[in-house]
Amino acid sequence: KQEVTQIPAALSVPEGENLVLNCSFTDSAIYNLQWFRQDPGKGLTSLLLIQSSQREQTSGRLNASLDKSSGRSTLYIAASQPGDSATYLCAVRQRGNTPLVFGKGTRLSVIA
Amino acid sequence: DAGVIQSPRHEVTEMGQEVTLRCKPISGHNSLFWYRQTMMRGLELLIYFNNNVPIDDSGMPEDRFSAKMPNASFSTLKIQPSEPRDSAVYFCASSSNPGLAGGPRTGELFFGEGSRLTVL
Repeated sequence: KQEVTQIPAALSVPEGENLVLNCSFTDSAIYNLQWFRQDPGKGLTSLLLIQSSQREQTSGRLNASLDKSSGRSTLYIAASQPGDSATYLCAVRQRGNTPLVFGKGTRLSVIA
Repeated sequence: DAGVIQSPRHEVTEMGQEVTLRCKPISGHNSLFWYRQTMMRGLELLIYFNNNVPIDDSGMPEDRFSAKMPNASFSTLKIQPSEPRDSAVYFCASSSNPGLAGGPRTGELFFGEGSRLTVL
């Protein structure tokens, strides 16, 4: 059974700092991996989707990498801003038509 | 596209009452998922549909919970009778999956804004 772990559970950094959020999964035979952002009281917003054949995806100040063989993904946030404060969730899909398996998230606080 | 649309956004009801949550997936998506989120348990998958057919409902906590998808543009999650422990945020999500008929096939999952249920 696939398990997804995100460490740390919470992180507080000063504004402007570059940071890395970690995600690990137990079964490396994945179809794709997706990073989400959730603001308090809101739904989950898709940030980046990495297909199993890809090594990384970039969107603005965000860069997500995927290393299937080691069962790891990282989300890199450059020049963090207070508006980046949110919970970030990682999720993996085993096959194309199966549900995502979610980690419990990392709660990020960027202090001005 | 308007995204995944859920209603109601907030529901407060008394124990024993029936609750119906509604979801309209993104047009062209062929998979629909119902999740529940609480502080204690995080995000839990309740049930999912492929091409309007329920595939796995093992996450549905009890027989009090039921879900239907009568067509590609509408799904409901019903709780009858409701209990205080059902209080949570219920999310609907949809995606277009490879191997299934229809739309772009990236498998990217999109969530609605959720329905916050409080059972007194």
